[in-house]
Amino acid sequence: DAKTTQPPSMDCAEGRAANLPCNHSTISGNEYVYWYRQIHSQGPQYIIHGLKNNETNEMASLIITEDRKSSTLILPHATLRDTAVYYCIALLLNTGKLIFGQGTTLQVKP
Amino acid sequence: DAGVTQSPTHLIKTRGQQVTLRCSPKSGHDTVSWYQQALGQGPQFIFQYYEEEERQRGNFPDRFSGHQFPNYSSELNVNALLLGDSALYLCASMGPNEKLFFGSGTQLSVL
Repeated sequence: DAKTTQPPSMDCAEGRAANLPCNHSTISGNEYVYWYRQIHSQGPQYIIHGLKNNETNEMASLIITEDRKSSTLILPHATLRDTAVYYCIALLLNTGKLIFGQGTTLQVKP
Repeated sequence: DAGVTQSPTHLIKTRGQQVTLRCSPKSGHDTVSWYQQALGQGPQFIFQYYEEEERQRGNFPDRFSGHQFPNYSSELNVNALLLGDSALYLCASMGPNEKLFFGSGTQLSVL
């Protein structure tokens, strides 16, 4: 299971883009990159996932480097409700076993 | 379309007791995983069920056991409860589109 490394905390101004980095230098070719966020005492919320191509959905964009050793989650217009702990996880699909690190606490400020 | 549902939402038990937590996966999902989240920590993988069998297991003692039913719902059982078992227990389900969704969890307090 690949280990992921994230900064422990980040701040972002409301309305600006939030760019959350993740390092996964030991990721294997068949491990996906998943992003979740968790607001206090709630279940983790799925945001986005990808294998090697960049992905975009209604919540966010995921940019994965060509060598797949790192990725960035982009929240295009952060709101106060985006304040949460964000987890980047490498997942081997046939295991369904997510290994959560400490994540990045994103604080969106007015 | 209901998401992943868990019951009960909160539970209080005493040391030595046994507890059963329940999970109904999202419609169309056939794989269920359970996680334990202690206060201030990230969730820790307990085990995963697929086709009514335990397919993967994390580093948890045998006091933690589970079951998956033909309708894909699942139960987590914990025997001989310890104070350290107090945590948020999360269920996640996965379907064919690779998305893994979590329920809101069961908050277990062991006194």
